[in-house]
Amino acid sequence: NAGVTQTPKFQVLKTGQSMTLQCAQDMNHEYMSWYRQDPGMGLRLIHYSVGAGITDQGEVPNGYNVSRSTTEDFPLRLLSAAPSQTSVYFCASSLGQGGNQPQHFGDGTRLSIL
Amino acid sequence: GQQVMQIPQYQHVQEGEDFTTYCNSSTTLSNIQWYKQRPGGHPVFLIQLVKSGEVKKQKRLTFQFGEAKKNSSLHITATQTTDVGTYFCAGPHPGSNYKLTFGKGTLLTVNP
Repeated sequence: NAGVTQTPKFQVLKTGQSMTLQCAQDMNHEYMSWYRQDPGMGLRLIHYSVGAGITDQGEVPNGYNVSRSTTEDFPLRLLSAAPSQTSVYFCASSLGQGGNQPQHFGDGTRLSIL
Repeated sequence: GQQVMQIPQYQHVQEGEDFTTYCNSSTTLSNIQWYKQRPGGHPVFLIQLVKSGEVKKQKRLTFQFGEAKKNSSLHITATQTTDVGTYFCAGPHPGSNYKLTFGKGTLLTVNP
């Protein structure tokens, strides 16, 4: 049972490049979400999904796109990377509503934008 | 901005000393969760509190939820070097049970 798997673990991009951060879970969780973590800022919610085909914005959605075509996968897309998007990105999943259920986190993707 | 405020931001203790971190919300929370993140790691769920005045213990860790369900605390008795990490509280965003909002965390360092 792998839990929540994120790839890649590290990535360096140039400003303006695009990329997709992958997230997959094998726990049959309906709820999935993406957070970014910056020094002194805690974890901030980017986007979330309550099930396949349903996504919504979190606190800091600008510059990011998501889709949820299957229960298992929830990729995060950066269409045109900016230095302000340098951060550690965590994917999380849970049963039911995200605000009321324990979150299972992946190991994170450390992203640097030059 | 952040719904939940957490203090202190940093705490350095000698091994064997106690440690407490506090979490405060401007709104009543249906529940509050606590997570631990080791340096270089990912947040790991510790516990969820739901009831007013609830107290739960996990070995040397004691978690409390305030009577008004607006504040919470995590107390560690006799810290060990394995307790090092950042402790986060998290609660539902006002008006949405689909969004979990995290405090900024308390970084605990322990001097052996």
